[in-house]
Amino acid sequence: LAKTTQPISMDSYEGQEVNITCSHNNIATNDYITWYQQFPSQGPRFIIQGYKTKVTNEVASLFIPADRKSSTLSLPRVSLSDTAVYYCLVGGEAGNQFYFGTGTSLTVIP
Amino acid sequence: NAGVTQTPKFQVLKTGQSMTLQCAQDMNHEYMSWYRQDPGMGLRLIHYSVGAGITDQGEVPNGYNVSRSTTEDFPLRLLSAAPSQTSVYFCASSYRTGANQPQHFGDGTRLSIL
Repeated sequence: LAKTTQPISMDSYEGQEVNITCSHNNIATNDYITWYQQFPSQGPRFIIQGYKTKVTNEVASLFIPADRKSSTLSLPRVSLSDTAVYYCLVGGEAGNQFYFGTGTSLTVIP
Repeated sequence: NAGVTQTPKFQVLKTGQSMTLQCAQDMNHEYMSWYRQDPGMGLRLIHYSVGAGITDQGEVPNGYNVSRSTTEDFPLRLLSAAPSQTSVYFCASSYRTGANQPQHFGDGTRLSIL
């Protein structure tokens, strides 16, 4: 299972676009990249998943370069309610143990 | 759908006591797991199950037991609580195994061992 590296914390002002990058140098051919969001006092929740190029949904966009050794979660025009910890998870269909790491703690400032 | 339900939400125990943390899901998910979350340590896998009757150890299994007698339920047992087990515990489930399967988490059980 590919280990990941993310910044420990980030601050952003309301209304700005936030980009959180995850490094996964040993990603395997069949691995997907999945991002989770965890609000205080709640469990993590799935927000977006991708394999290559770009994926967009109502919450975020996920950018994956051609070599797939990193990925960037983009949150457009963040609000105070986007303050959370964001986890990057890399893996495929094989394997039963998942490494969430310590995530990136995003604080949105008024 | 209730999703993943964990009970209790809070619990205080004395060292040496035993207890069971309950986890139930109503999505007919094959895979279930338990994590503990400590400050600065992220989520660490305790035990997991790929189906009824099948369980296995994760990264930090010592001091914990699990069983999976039904698809819906996956209780976590602390046999003799220790202060080092003070943590927030999360149960998760997914349709089947694989890191590409979206994991559904409960809201956690906050456990303090005195």
